[in-house]
Amino acid sequence: DAGVTQSPTHLIKTRGQHVTLRCSPISGHKSVSWYQQVLGQGPQFIFQYYEKEERGRGNFPDRFSARQFPNYSSELNVNALLLGDSALYLCASSLQDNQPQHFGDGTRLSIL
Amino acid sequence: EDQVTQSPEALRLQEGESSSLNCSYTVSGLRGLFWYRQDPGKGPEFLFTLYSAGEEKEKERLKATLTKKESFLHITAPKPEDSATYLCAVRGTAQGAQKLVFGQGTRLTINP
Repeated sequence: DAGVTQSPTHLIKTRGQHVTLRCSPISGHKSVSWYQQVLGQGPQFIFQYYEKEERGRGNFPDRFSARQFPNYSSELNVNALLLGDSALYLCASSLQDNQPQHFGDGTRLSIL
Repeated sequence: EDQVTQSPEALRLQEGESSSLNCSYTVSGLRGLFWYRQDPGKGPEFLFTLYSAGEEKEKERLKATLTKKESFLHITAPKPEDSATYLCAVRGTAQGAQKLVFGQGTRLTINP
């Protein structure tokens, strides 16, 4: 079975641009969460979506937004990119609310 | 606010030398403590979930235990392929979302 897939794997942007990152959950998983991982740190929660509704939001500015589609795939959008947005962006999916989350290999975003 | 602290930050062992990694946490109502393994350039790989104090889980050379304030990941007779960063995360009842709060990780190196 395919795991969580994310695209693209790497991305280079300049300050002020916007970016869209994509995630396909494990088949049958309806919950998708997004995390930001800065080098040397643990992942930080950004959003969770379940059945296309936002269930939670972390301490990130309004420049970050996300959505979930009818097929449960998800997009993370970041506007007005800053140098500090350089990080590994991870997507995780789970079958139900209290089940373990399974992560993709992330999108490495570099801001120049 | 939920918090997770992992120690040590880095640990070097010889092959076969057993040791333990620590995860101390504060959480408002524990709904699960999770251990993940992360290899360089990859997303976190799920290892264990623990739900209540006294619970233990085992997988190959790894054993996770849980008390009311901390969790330990014991590694017995490790091999070089066990080298990775080990992440601990908690989920509390304070938020409705499936938010995981991660520690900064322990970078484990096993020398042959």
